[in-house]
Amino acid sequence: ELKVEQNPLFLSMQEEKNYTIYCNYSTTSDRLYWYRQDPGKSLESLFVLLSNGAVKQEGRLMASLDTKARLSTLHITAAVHDLSATYFCAVDRITGNQFYFGTGTSLTVIP
Amino acid sequence: DSGVTQTPKHLITATGQRVTLRCSPRSGDLSVYWYQQSLDQGLQFLIQYYNGEERAKGNILERFSAQQFPDLHSELNLSSLELGDSALYFCASSARQDPYEQYFGPGTRLTVT
Repeated sequence: ELKVEQNPLFLSMQEEKNYTIYCNYSTTSDRLYWYRQDPGKSLESLFVLLSNGAVKQEGRLMASLDTKARLSTLHITAAVHDLSATYFCAVDRITGNQFYFGTGTSLTVIP
Repeated sequence: DSGVTQTPKHLITATGQRVTLRCSPRSGDLSVYWYQQSLDQGLQFLIQYYNGEERAKGNILERFSAQQFPDLHSELNLSSLELGDSALYFCASSARQDPYEQYFGPGTRLTVT
């Protein structure tokens, strides 16, 4: 079974600081996804990364993918309080149509 | 608002009972996915339907079943409920057969007492 691990699990950061969330997966996957979940809410899709070296950015968030290292990163630039949420990565395997979520990273941005 | 609706929002029931969760996808979306989110297990993919047919199965228990109807809404049936089935159940929909662009519903919170 494909395993997806994120670190850190909990992240408390000050506003205006930069930080990175890491997502490791255990075997070859087809695509890498990032989602955001606000407390008590549903999931919101942030990025889909399709190939090695893919980089996507929106606002203060930038995601990248290194398929050789089986690693994706979600970089947060100059954090603001509105970014406080739990962030999940997920991977899928077209063969077998399976979809696996990471453990999640709970981000709190402190003024 | 993602356009995906789920009912009910909350459900409280006793062990051993059976419940049905309902999901209506976005207009035009043919795929429906079901997920379970709990403190113990995290987020898990349960099952996917595409245009009425089962397409993929994840960690779905034998006590659970699902179907997608001709109008594309889907139902997740949970039977012989156990305390450990207490969780948030999300559905998501997409236009494609793969989960490339999923839109998630607000979820149904199930509490088994």
